[in-house]
Amino acid sequence: EAQVTQNPRYLITVTGKKLTVTCSQNMNHEYMSWYRQDPGLGLRQIYYSMNVEVTDKGDVPEGYKVSRKEKRNFPLILESPSPNQTSLYFCASSSGQLYSGNTIYFGEGSWLTVV
Amino acid sequence: GQQVMQIPQYQHVQEGEDFTTYCNSSTTLSNIQWYKQRPGGHPVFLIQLVKSGEVKKQKRLTFQFGEAKKNSSLHITATQTTDVGTYFCAGRTNFGNEKLTFGTGTRLTIIP
Repeated sequence: EAQVTQNPRYLITVTGKKLTVTCSQNMNHEYMSWYRQDPGLGLRQIYYSMNVEVTDKGDVPEGYKVSRKEKRNFPLILESPSPNQTSLYFCASSSGQLYSGNTIYFGEGSWLTVV
Repeated sequence: GQQVMQIPQYQHVQEGEDFTTYCNSSTTLSNIQWYKQRPGGHPVFLIQLVKSGEVKKQKRLTFQFGEAKKNSSLHITATQTTDVGTYFCAGRTNFGNEKLTFGTGTRLTIIP
């Protein structure tokens, strides 16, 4: 079954404590991306990756890091989380470039609260 | 930067009525995508439009891309309770640029 798996699904953490949200896909997709969803703001792209070792900033990359060492994994790293990073995070993947009309698959989401 | 606005923000309709959400971009788009997110769920890809003036249909859903490629709409005919959720458009400005800008979404609720 095609899946994008995120962990953890729910996390409450404290300001400044480094955390990583993992994302893994089992479809051998080249393209992966991270979004955050906040009320009234829709989904905003944080980072995306076109392939292994290739990453690029989205619209709201500040405070986040990513890496793409393997095709299947695309972790999101918060080096020093702050309360304004409290949000619902989604990982997504696609088999190719978006203009080709390839379906994008989203993970189930990770609820992150920073206190 | 690029902005994508969606209206209305909320829409309540009686079951069986039609529903339309509109998406407007501040810049010309290379293509536009539509997603549906059920309450408590994750976005699910519905469709992508690429050509100026393009119209695509999926059963009761009709998607349009404006002639100027700066606006789009999603129309649902005869809504059903299964249509409940938030509908998002998402646009890209350049081919080869995988930066997607999502609209703010329209939350649809159905009154049985």
